[in-house]
Amino acid sequence: GESVGLHLPTLSVQEGDNSIINCAYSNSASDYFIWYKQESGKGPQFIIDIRSNMDKRQGQRVTVLLNKTVKHLSLQIAATQPGDSAVYFCAENIRGGGSYIPTFGRGTSLIVHP
Amino acid sequence: IAGITQAPTSQILAAGRRMTLRCTQDMRHNAMYWYRQDLGLGLRLIHYSNTAGTTGKGEVPDGYSVSRANTDDFPLTLASAVPSQTSVYFCASSADPMTDTQYFGPGTRLTVL
Repeated sequence: GESVGLHLPTLSVQEGDNSIINCAYSNSASDYFIWYKQESGKGPQFIIDIRSNMDKRQGQRVTVLLNKTVKHLSLQIAATQPGDSAVYFCAENIRGGGSYIPTFGRGTSLIVHP
Repeated sequence: IAGITQAPTSQILAAGRRMTLRCTQDMRHNAMYWYRQDLGLGLRLIHYSNTAGTTGKGEVPDGYSVSRANTDDFPLTLASAVPSQTSVYFCASSADPMTDTQYFGPGTRLTVL
């Protein structure tokens, strides 16, 4: 998994498997979290978000889990497909100056083998 | 609907030159952001704007300036480029700075020699 501050890890999975990407965030005051997907040569793309008053949120084939006690976030991708191959970033957001100021993790590279 | 466009796509620039990276969004979003992305460091916020006419500093603002004269445009200027500003620059926008999901442009790859 990744942590805000560590080198880019890589997760390799077979097509059809479930993938779990982890993220440790640093600031206990963070109250909004987002997962982004970034394909090669493109900008990050929103996947799913979660607020600190929740511990789980589901989207289409994706689930985000939040454990505030240990400051840990995970992204679960069901039935991973080759098109899911990308770098995945978590971002923790702290409200400041009237806006959310995000801090991004360095990302996890997901490689899906057909 | 284009979303967010950035120009140029890529640029090679001599050190000491002035450069403006352009960003335009057509979603009428209130907030806009500039990030730089460096290998191994992830995305770092340079400047942001919650609404037209206002700007704020992010994590790495030194050497960069921004303006927000209208809702759609948020240019980033490097007054005197240095090699450490070699990076990929992403512009993003969000409907509401307080909530919110950011939508990113395709990026500008800048090389300062």
